[in-house]
Amino acid sequence: EAGVAQSPRYKIIEKRQSVAFWCNPISGHATLYWYQQILGQGPKLLIQFQNNGVVDDSQLPKDRFSAERLKGVDSTLKIQPAKLEDSAVYLCASSSGTVYEQYFGPGTRLTVT
Amino acid sequence: KQEVTQIPAALSVPEGENLVLNCSFTDSAIYNLQWFRQDPGKGLTSLLLIQSSQREQTSGRLNASLDKSSGRSTLYIAASQPGDSATYLCAVNTDKLIFGTGTRLQVFP
Repeated sequence: EAGVAQSPRYKIIEKRQSVAFWCNPISGHATLYWYQQILGQGPKLLIQFQNNGVVDDSQLPKDRFSAERLKGVDSTLKIQPAKLEDSAVYLCASSSGTVYEQYFGPGTRLTVT
Repeated sequence: KQEVTQIPAALSVPEGENLVLNCSFTDSAIYNLQWFRQDPGKGLTSLLLIQSSQREQTSGRLNASLDKSSGRSTLYIAASQPGDSATYLCAVNTDKLIFGTGTRLQVFP
């Protein structure tokens, strides 16, 4: 069974530029999550999708971050414009449902200079 | 508000030792608790998941326990090996995962 796929693995941009990350969850998983992990901290949930609907985006900085999950499968997370404090690893995870085990992708390491 | 704490923050031990990593949480209303391993520059690998109705789970040299009433979980690693070196994260599921800050483990030969 293929795991959660993410791309790109690394990205370096200047502040005020925009960037987009892509995630392909495990086949059949209805629930998809995006997390932000700042160096030395545990991951923090940014947004949770159930199929293609948003369940929780309470910690998503909506003035600069946006996410979508078209057709309930792949998802993209966008930052526009980026700030220095957005430097982090962005992790995508998927599960069969909210109370089930979550499986994580390899992450995208973003550096904003 | 749910808060998750992990102690110790870092641990360095010689190969062969048995280890205990601790995780505590403030709200016992959880669905389950997951332990993850994270290697430098990599994503998270799920090690064990304990449902709220369970007391422990075992996988190979790993054993995780859960005491929901006291808000505690421990991850026991038997006969540690250099390959166990990584950061270990616990997370409680309250319909979303709330993570601790992790324990950075180094096992030296």
